[in-house]
Amino acid sequence: NAGVTQTPKFRVLKTGQSMTLLCAQDMNHEYMYWYRQDPGMGLRLIHYSVGEGTTAKGEVPDGYNVSRLKKQNFLLGLESAAPSQTSVYFCASSYEQDNYGYTFGSGTRLTVV
Amino acid sequence: QKEVEQDPGPLSVPEGAIVSLNCTYSNSAFQYFMWYRQYSRKGPELLMYTYSSGNKEDGRFTAQVDKSSKYISLFIRDSQPSDSATYLCASNTDKLIFGTGTRLQVFP
Repeated sequence: NAGVTQTPKFRVLKTGQSMTLLCAQDMNHEYMYWYRQDPGMGLRLIHYSVGEGTTAKGEVPDGYNVSRLKKQNFLLGLESAAPSQTSVYFCASSYEQDNYGYTFGSGTRLTVV
Repeated sequence: QKEVEQDPGPLSVPEGAIVSLNCTYSNSAFQYFMWYRQYSRKGPELLMYTYSSGNKEDGRFTAQVDKSSKYISLFIRDSQPSDSATYLCASNTDKLIFGTGTRLQVFP
């Protein structure tokens, strides 16, 4: 039972480079989310998806794009990385508007130099 | 003002102590309240959830919600070094809103 799997676990990027973070869940969850976690700021929602083929903006969407082509996968893209995007990124999933919490992945630690 | 506020700590206690972790919130529409535990370099994991006001107990952990004062608490009895982690409170309308987390260290 893998739950939510994030790849890669670590990455160092140079300013201006692009990359894609992959999130995969095997729980047949409808909803998926991308958060970033920074010291003193807590978890902030970047983008989310309420089903295959749908995406929506969260609290801090600028500089990121997402796609949900398959129900089990949610991709987070950085087109032109900036040092301000240095953070730990977490993917999560849930049943429809799950009031009992989300299942999180183990995170991707990204450094932009 | 953030919708969910939490003292970042750190909170350092001896093994066996009773720990009280607290949050306040501002959105009266919040109905479900959760506590997540996050170990260092790991993702958050759901610890407990409660609905509306009242208490919920699970082993050494008790979650308490007071909707009249918009106050959320987590109590840990007989704290253990393995409880050392960051604890995040959260609530939701259509999406989860998290507090910033309180770092707890339990020393032997």
